[in-house]
Amino acid sequence: DAKTTQPPSMDCAEGRAANLPCNHSTISGNEYVYWYRQIHSQGPQYIIHGLKNNETNEMASLIITEDRKSSTLILPHATLRDTAVYYCIVRGYYSGSARQLTFGSGTQLTVLP
Amino acid sequence: DSGVTQTPKHLITATGQRVTLRCSPRSGDLSVYWYQQSLDQGLQFLIQYYNGEERAKGNILERFSAQQFPDLHSELNLSSLELGDSALYFCASSVGGTSGGGEEQYFGPGTRLTVT
Repeated sequence: DAKTTQPPSMDCAEGRAANLPCNHSTISGNEYVYWYRQIHSQGPQYIIHGLKNNETNEMASLIITEDRKSSTLILPHATLRDTAVYYCIVRGYYSGSARQLTFGSGTQLTVLP
Repeated sequence: DSGVTQTPKHLITATGQRVTLRCSPRSGDLSVYWYQQSLDQGLQFLIQYYNGEERAKGNILERFSAQQFPDLHSELNLSSLELGDSALYFCASSVGGTSGGGEEQYFGPGTRLTVT
């Protein structure tokens, strides 16, 4: 699985959009980009994933660059409850076998009142 | 609520003892994963089961073992416990073992193990 690079921390004002970047310059064609978050000591929570196209769900939007070497997770209207560590994970497709997630250090997002 | 349940929530035990952590996956999920999160190591994958069979192994110690039962719940057994085994242990589940990269995992609330 490709390595990811994320800033260690970011702040965002409550009500504003939070844009969390992730660099995955060695990503290969069959690797997905996943985003999870972990609110202090709780179980990680799945947010969104994508392969090539931009994706949106009720929690967030995922923007993947055309060359797929980086992506941005967007929380459109951040609230205090969005304060968490956000993990960007790249995971490949392996026929016949699901794969574990490899967590890096993530980005500590702090939403400020 | 992810639909994944773990028991117990907290466990305090002494060095040298053995404990069992239990996980019930989301309804319909066939794969179960175990992860360990300690302060100095972050989230580390331990082992995966799919429909009762071991599918993948990570950095799991020989003192640790797991199994998945016919009803798909899973247990993680930790023996000869050491102080360094104190950590949060998370279980996750996913639909199946064959869809590879495009499949999300859902995590339980974790078991906090304290070894004294």
